Amino acid sequence: GAGVSQSPSNKVTEKGKDVELRCDPISGHTALYWYRQRLGQGLEFLIYFQGNSAPDKSGLPSDRFSAERTGESVSTLTIQRTQQEDSAVYLCASSRDGRYFYGYTFGSGTRLTVV
Amino acid sequence: KNEVEQSPQNLTAQEGEFITINCSYSVGISALHWLQQHPGGGIVSLFMLSSGKKKHGRLIATINIQEKHSSLHITASHPRDSAVYICAVHGSSNTGKLIFGQGTTLQVKP
Repeated sequence: GAGVSQSPSNKVTEKGKDVELRCDPISGHTALYWYRQRLGQGLEFLIYFQGNSAPDKSGLPSDRFSAERTGESVSTLTIQRTQQEDSAVYLCASSRDGRYFYGYTFGSGTRLTVV
Repeated sequence: KNEVEQSPQNLTAQEGEFITINCSYSVGISALHWLQQHPGGGIVSLFMLSSGKKKHGRLIATINIQEKHSSLHITASHPRDSAVYICAVHGSSNTGKLIFGQGTTLQVKP
């Protein structure tokens, strides 16, 4: 597609429920990143996929968070047993192959509210 | 201490003023990015720098690799420049992930 697409754009969920957030990267971009931005705070790295390599999961805050990517296309970020501190904007970005000189394109984010 | 520090955290300016936002980092980098985030969350990449200076319209970005410092300048500021400006670095380990500063919230008043 023309840009990075994320869905849903907004999600309100009850504490304890599981949620799935979706990211469609730009076609042909092998690198895909998930970031989180909690209210009033900076962006935090969550996970990075590059082609068929093992993902860099070093930013996932707990084992309630997991992400998958099918080949070089769609990625899903899953949060199990959501907590109020999970409320944030979850941003996805993609890049041609992860090397810095190709730059990044960000999606518009999913605003998650846990009540 | 954060690996990427921005200053100031908040900035209010009058329309037409020259604005400077600073970014210092403590890690080795391949490149530094300046990003703009408008209310509603969308992020736009303004510049990617690995050396020197870049200019786009009223925006100028500079980087000093030796001093591990970058600045973003906005000339003839306008209320539509009001946004959060974020400095982010791509580490030299080439893992692909960005390390972000906390952002500078800019408000330009008419």
